[in-house]
Amino acid sequence: EPEVTQTPSHQVTQMGQEVILRCVPISNHLYFYWYRQILGQKVEFLVSFYNNEISEKSEIFDDQFSVERPDGSNFTLKIRSTKLEDSAMYFCASISGRLYEQYFGPGTRLTVT
Amino acid sequence: GESVGLHLPTLSVQEGDNSIINCAYSNSASDYFIWYKQESGKGPQFIIDIRSNMDKRQGQRVTVLLNKTVKHLSLQIAATQPGDSAVYFCAENIGGGADGLTFGKGTHLIIQP
Repeated sequence: EPEVTQTPSHQVTQMGQEVILRCVPISNHLYFYWYRQILGQKVEFLVSFYNNEISEKSEIFDDQFSVERPDGSNFTLKIRSTKLEDSAMYFCASISGRLYEQYFGPGTRLTVT
Repeated sequence: GESVGLHLPTLSVQEGDNSIINCAYSNSASDYFIWYKQESGKGPQFIIDIRSNMDKRQGQRVTVLLNKTVKHLSLQIAATQPGDSAVYFCAENIGGGADGLTFGKGTHLIIQP
């Protein structure tokens, strides 16, 4: 069964450093998402991406965040200058567009020290 | 047993019993609702969805009920098994299509042997 994959599974970085989280959505999917989940809390929407541009973003997704689909398979989330409060699980998700079930990847645990 | 997903974080049931997990949503304009299951260290896994023009939908061992009058959603799991132990999140989608999801806080379902 096709699945969303994410790398790395765990990323440790120092405050102020840039990080790039990578996702490979399901191959025939057209809409891509990033969510985050701070430990013990609910999953929060960050951004959605369609047709090579951001279609929707939340208040969390400020100027420190950016997304990119650099090729036909990868979808990345960049945090320019990480803060302690960016520590969380980051999930990528995708949908085909024909159906609206969002399929989630296993997540990347980001730890900012 | 019964729990309110947003107000009672843990629900403990006996193996073989039925479970009911409840969720209150906030936006009367929400058109699409999904239940996700999240096991420890994994991403959310789609269980079942329902659109606002329905009040009930059944899957394999699961049933989702939607009461738009009181903005209430519930997930019923029949004959719970040890593998059902997880955190269950309800999520809503205002646009009903490819928009980002708004998640509830989650209910931790614990299956007692």
